[in-house]
Amino acid sequence: EAQVTQNPRYLITVTGKKLTVTCSQNMNHEYMSWYRQDPGLGLRQIYYSMNVEVTDKGDVPEGYKVSRKEKRNFPLILESPSPNQTSLYFCASSLQGDTGELFFGEGSRLTVL
Amino acid sequence: LAKTTQPISMDSYEGQEVNITCSHNNIATNDYITWYQQFPSQGPRFIIQGYKTKVTNEVASLFIPADRKSSTLSLPRVSLSDTAVYYCLVGESGTYKYIFGTGTRLKVLA
Repeated sequence: EAQVTQNPRYLITVTGKKLTVTCSQNMNHEYMSWYRQDPGLGLRQIYYSMNVEVTDKGDVPEGYKVSRKEKRNFPLILESPSPNQTSLYFCASSLQGDTGELFFGEGSRLTVL
Repeated sequence: LAKTTQPISMDSYEGQEVNITCSHNNIATNDYITWYQQFPSQGPRFIIQGYKTKVTNEVASLFIPADRKSSTLSLPRVSLSDTAVYYCLVGESGTYKYIFGTGTRLKVLA
């Protein structure tokens, strides 16, 4: 089954404790991206990747890092999480980044205390 | 990228046709328009995409006037399961940034 898989789905952590949210897709998509969703603000793009070893900032990249060492994986790294990063995170992939037809994962709800 | 504006919420009854309009006044020549549906605690799901005039698939139609400054998602004969948030997204061909609006919360009533 074609899908985008995120882990963990739920996480409660404390300020400053590094964490990684993994994202994997099995559709051989070139494009992958991360979004955060907050009440009243819709979805905001954090980072995106056009292909292996090619990444770029979205609208809200501060406090996040990403890497794309393999085509199928695009982990989101929070080096020193803060409470304002408490949010619902979505990973998405697309065959080609400029078509707009994004496939989303189920989301990862992160709480930073 | 063009900023989009949608109504915050809409109510409808089962069996009615629902039209949700998105405004994107600054859309550029190469921009395309995509609509997504999102249920609570799930990721958005692609519904339909268009560039101009009218596009129809098995679940919806997308109407885009000649000036392309707005677009309308049409859902025929909605059911309770169509209760969701609908996002209009304008993306520029050749770029990789996407700006989602705040979406329209559609509630279908029995």
